[in-house]
Amino acid sequence: GESVGLHLPTLSVQEGDNSIINCAYSNSASDYFIWYKQESGKGPQFIIDIRSNMDKRQGQRVTVLLNKTVKHLSLQIAATQPGDSAVYFCAENGSGNTGKLIFGQGTTLQVKP
Amino acid sequence: EAQVTQNPRYLITVTGKKLTVTCSQNMNHEYMSWYRQDPGLGLRQIYYSMNVEVTDKGDVPEGYKVSRKEKRNFPLILESPSPNQTSLYFCASSWDRGMNTEAFFGQGTRLTVV
Repeated sequence: GESVGLHLPTLSVQEGDNSIINCAYSNSASDYFIWYKQESGKGPQFIIDIRSNMDKRQGQRVTVLLNKTVKHLSLQIAATQPGDSAVYFCAENGSGNTGKLIFGQGTTLQVKP
Repeated sequence: EAQVTQNPRYLITVTGKKLTVTCSQNMNHEYMSWYRQDPGLGLRQIYYSMNVEVTDKGDVPEGYKVSRKEKRNFPLILESPSPNQTSLYFCASSWDRGMNTEAFFGQGTRLTVV
């Protein structure tokens, strides 16, 4: 199933369904956004990024959508698999050009077999 | 293999005993940083370095020091650890601080201060 709307700390989906993970970012000056996946016991792993001059970018089974008007970012995962179970973080680069990434709180994706 | 390597992975220490967590990257990245990850607070930047001998404070620098004598290494130093520094620490590196700031993360160091 899909979930839209406000950020949810946990999202549970059936294997094979599509997942949508949402993120509201904080800084209107941010011009670069990244989605990371963090599996238990591991560091965050890059999934996909998008710049502010785009509103959509596709990767392998993943799509990121950016709505600058409402400062909203979403990650869509097609045909969700058990290996997709993890915590997903959005990150923005903020302002100040320091290279710092500002992370969201994360959404735990649980995939039911 | 391109990677960021942290050591140790796990560490239990006592209050006040100085410790160093090492970080090394093999991608010739200019930019390196340290984050801590705490439940409910997410990932917060401690210190960062834009290049050799250039370091600056992040959001939560109190109680930490860093150094960048070589491009590949960026150790995190806790001169006098306290229990509130019990956390999961990540080192990250990226090409530069500009637009393409995709960061590569290490595997993490879980520190417990008793």
